[in-house]
Amino acid sequence: KNQVEQSPQSLIILEGKNCTLQCNYTVSPFSNLRWYKQDTGRGPVSLTIMTFSENTKSNGRYTATLDADTKQSSLHITASQLSDSASYICVVFTGGGNKLTFGTGTQLKVEL
Amino acid sequence: GAVVSQHPSRVICKSGTSVKIECRSLDFQATTMFWYRQFPKQSLMLMATSNEGSKATYEQGVEKDKFLINHASLTLSTLTVTSAHPEDSSFYICSARVGTGQETQYFGPGTRLLVL
Repeated sequence: KNQVEQSPQSLIILEGKNCTLQCNYTVSPFSNLRWYKQDTGRGPVSLTIMTFSENTKSNGRYTATLDADTKQSSLHITASQLSDSASYICVVFTGGGNKLTFGTGTQLKVEL
Repeated sequence: GAVVSQHPSRVICKSGTSVKIECRSLDFQATTMFWYRQFPKQSLMLMATSNEGSKATYEQGVEKDKFLINHASLTLSTLTVTSAHPEDSSFYICSARVGTGQETQYFGPGTRLLVL
C-alpha cells in the first residue's frame, strides 16, 4: 500500500530560527516528490518538485532533499518568518505522475 | 505560474439543498481536473477525476449520485453536492492538470462548505 508519513505532526519555532520537516514514503512506482505549503483555508501551493535523480533543490528559503534509496525527503526552512506558519504537505506522484499520495502534513507555527 | 480558481470560496447552505462549486483554469486548458475533500487536520482525499467531455471516475466510497461532476470544457469543471447534509461540510479543493506531464498539476484555493 502506498503511504507517505510525515514528522513531526506539529512544530512551533521562534521567528528567525531554522527547522527541518521529514517525509518517509513507501510508494511505487515513484515518479516525483513535491512539497506543498497550505495556508489555513487555502489550497496547496507547490514549493519544490524533485525527481528520482535529484538530491537537493532550493526555492528561496526552502531547501528540499531526497534520498531515493532510503525513500526519505526533508524540507528545510531557513530564517523562518511568521508567514511560514502553515501546513506543509509531502506528496508523492506515482505511475507517470497520474496518482498522488498525500502525507498528513506538518503543522508549523512560527512565533515571535 | 498557472492559476486555478474556485467559486465560491465559502458557502453556507441549509440541509437538503444542492450546492454547485466551480473550478476554472484561468490561463491554461486542463485536460484533467481532480476534486478533493479535506476535513480539519487531515490530508486531501481524492474524490473523483474528470476528463473533459467524459464521465468522471469516482474513488471508492464516493457516491457519484451525490457528488455530480461536470467537465464541460477544458477550462471549467463543476462539483454539485446534491441534497447536502451536515456531514458534507468540508473543504473542497479542485486541481487541474494539462497534458500528461507530471509537473503540470495545479491546485485551486478551495471552497469551504458549511451545511446547517
